[in-house]
Amino acid sequence: EPEVTQTPSHQVTQMGQEVILRCVPISNHLYFYWYRQILGQKVEFLVSFYNNEISEKSEIFDDQFSVERPDGSNFTLKIRSTKLEDSAMYFCASSVWRGGNQPQHFGDGTRLSIL
Amino acid sequence: AQKVTQAQTEISVVEKEDVTLDCVYETRDTTYYLFWYKQPPSGELVFLIRRNSFDEQNEISGRYSWNFQKSTSSFNFTITASQVVDSAVYFCALSGKETSGSRLTFGEGTQLTVNP
Repeated sequence: EPEVTQTPSHQVTQMGQEVILRCVPISNHLYFYWYRQILGQKVEFLVSFYNNEISEKSEIFDDQFSVERPDGSNFTLKIRSTKLEDSAMYFCASSVWRGGNQPQHFGDGTRLSIL
Repeated sequence: AQKVTQAQTEISVVEKEDVTLDCVYETRDTTYYLFWYKQPPSGELVFLIRRNSFDEQNEISGRYSWNFQKSTSSFNFTITASQVVDSAVYFCALSGKETSGSRLTFGEGTQLTVNP
């Protein structure tokens, strides 16, 4: 069964450094997402992406965050200058099409630890 | 604004017991979609089920069943004859109508522990 792939599984970074989290969505999916989950808390929406542009973003997704689809398969989340509070599990998801009725399929997540 | 409430933070049962996880939602959309996801100890999020707001037919899939009641804004999830492998955090989630984007709004999650 096709799945969303995320790398790395765990990233440790010094505060203030830039980090890029990578995702390979399911191949025939057109809509991509990033969510984060601070340890022990609920999953929070960050951004959705379609047709090479951001469709929707939350208040969490401020100027230090950016997303990109650099080629036909990868989807990345960049955090420019990491803060301690960016420590969380980051999930990438994809769906066949936009629309709330489409189930989003999640990757296994990248655990980001900021020191 | 959308909101999902899972009032049960933790539930602990003994294997073979039935267990129901509660979910209450708030939305202004007339068309919306409800989901349940499972997060086992390994951390991934596993899609379990999706229901449309215009389809209140309840569903049974093996040991899982779902009870959607629009009148009470609830979308509860029942595991029959629970097993140790069912131990996980279960998240209820909500998404609005097609034209308003498709962000998922998650509840706080319910930690289910099934003891042998």
